[in-house]
Amino acid sequence: QVQLRESGPGLVKPSQTLSLTCTVSGGSISSGDFYWTWVRQPPGKGLEWIGYIYHSGNTYYNPSLKSRATISVDTSKNHFSLRLNSVTAADTALYYCARDCSGGSCHSSTYTFDIWGQGTVVTVSS
Amino acid sequence: SSELTQDPAVSVALGQTVRITCQGDSLRNFYASWYQQKPGQAPILVFYGENNRPSGIPDRFSGSSSGNTASLTITGAQAEDEADYYCNSRDSSGDHLVEFGGGTKLTVL
Repeated sequence: QVQLRESGPGLVKPSQTLSLTCTVSGGSISSGDFYWTWVRQPPGKGLEWIGYIYHSGNTYYNPSLKSRATISVDTSKNHFSLRLNSVTAADTALYYCARDCSGGSCHSSTYTFDIWGQGTVVTVSS
Repeated sequence: SSELTQDPAVSVALGQTVRITCQGDSLRNFYASWYQQKPGQAPILVFYGENNRPSGIPDRFSGSSSGNTASLTITGAQAEDEADYYCNSRDSSGDHLVEFGGGTKLTVL
């Protein structure tokens, strides 16, 4: 079955750029009508949607990130990536990638994240 | 801040029924999806849409919706159901934006 796995540096300095990759295994990132998503969770807090991308490259982002986030996809490597620039301590969080199946196998009227990675902790500190 | 509102904490006696709610304008037009998150684990999808339970989720989990409120009901709560529960939906503007509720911590007594 499809699995997701996040990877990237666990420590980023303030003002620098956070870069994470989510590798998709067990299926092609290009198949099906899925959106590939990044979600984060600050320590002790709830889930925050960052943005998502379709395999064609269409992207949508959380306006609260004020254009700091960029999500890209590499279909040849079957992975998608997140870049978040100008990071501060407020960006310290557990970062998850997930698959939205609402347009695909779930046929849901709302966003439905049926597969999640195990998450990766990113700490912003000098 | 989230535009989907959840009670921060709810408790239920073992074997009893509990309803976890999620309120927001977007729920007048869109169903919610529900996730369970246990400490140190990634969220898992437990219910979505009008009446959809993913494979492997016990049938004691069910969902409903009325007006601006979506509900996740656990009928006969088990100790292993103790977790944080999150709802999500589309942004009320209908744009391609995702909202999550603030989460409800369920304690099984």
